Amino acid sequence: ILNVEQSPQSLHVQEGDSTNFTCSFPSSNFYALHWYRWETAKSPEALFVMTLNGDEKKKGRISATLNTKEGYSYLYIKGSQPEDSATYLCAGSYGGATNKLIFGTGTLLAVQP
Amino acid sequence: DGGITQSPKYLFRKEGQNVTLSCEQNLNHDAMYWYRQDPGQGLRLIYYSQIVNDFQKGDIAEGYSVSREKKESFPLTVTSAQKNPTAFYLCASRETGGGETQYFGPGTRLLVL
Repeated sequence: ILNVEQSPQSLHVQEGDSTNFTCSFPSSNFYALHWYRWETAKSPEALFVMTLNGDEKKKGRISATLNTKEGYSYLYIKGSQPEDSATYLCAGSYGGATNKLIFGTGTLLAVQP
Repeated sequence: DGGITQSPKYLFRKEGQNVTLSCEQNLNHDAMYWYRQDPGQGLRLIYYSQIVNDFQKGDIAEGYSVSREKKESFPLTVTSAQKNPTAFYLCASRETGGGETQYFGPGTRLLVL
């Protein structure tokens, strides 16, 4: 059974702090790693999809890295803002063309103004 | 506006009753997915469809049924055989051959009376 793990489970930071989360995934038969942001009462929003070892992607103050050999990805948020408060999900894709995603349980980020 | 809609937002089911959750997309995506979220667990795949008139079981298909008669629609029926239906249900779609990202609807919360 494939298991994707995220840590920490929750995180409380002050506005302006930088933070990072970890996603660990099985590296065998790995295809792609997805990060989503899920705000309360909204749809999960895709942040990044990464496939290659060493990939780094950036979107504004948010960036992510990927290590497929050791099976982990980091998500970084620089200068957290209250609007960054959300649950951040990562998911591994192992199905190739079927794109079946295995999700972690998420990291809940709360940014205090 | 292009997107994925799910209805209703909340749904109540009586014991022994079948209920159907609606998922519609106007993104012209071929693939569609149904996930279930329970507290403390990652999203789990119920069913997926890569093309009209075709669908496959996901990891937790027991007690559920789907149909894919139209490209835009992928309804999920929660049957009386599903013994623990109370959960949050998310529908997603993806453009096959156009990338790995799945786009999510806002979800339906199902409660058993």
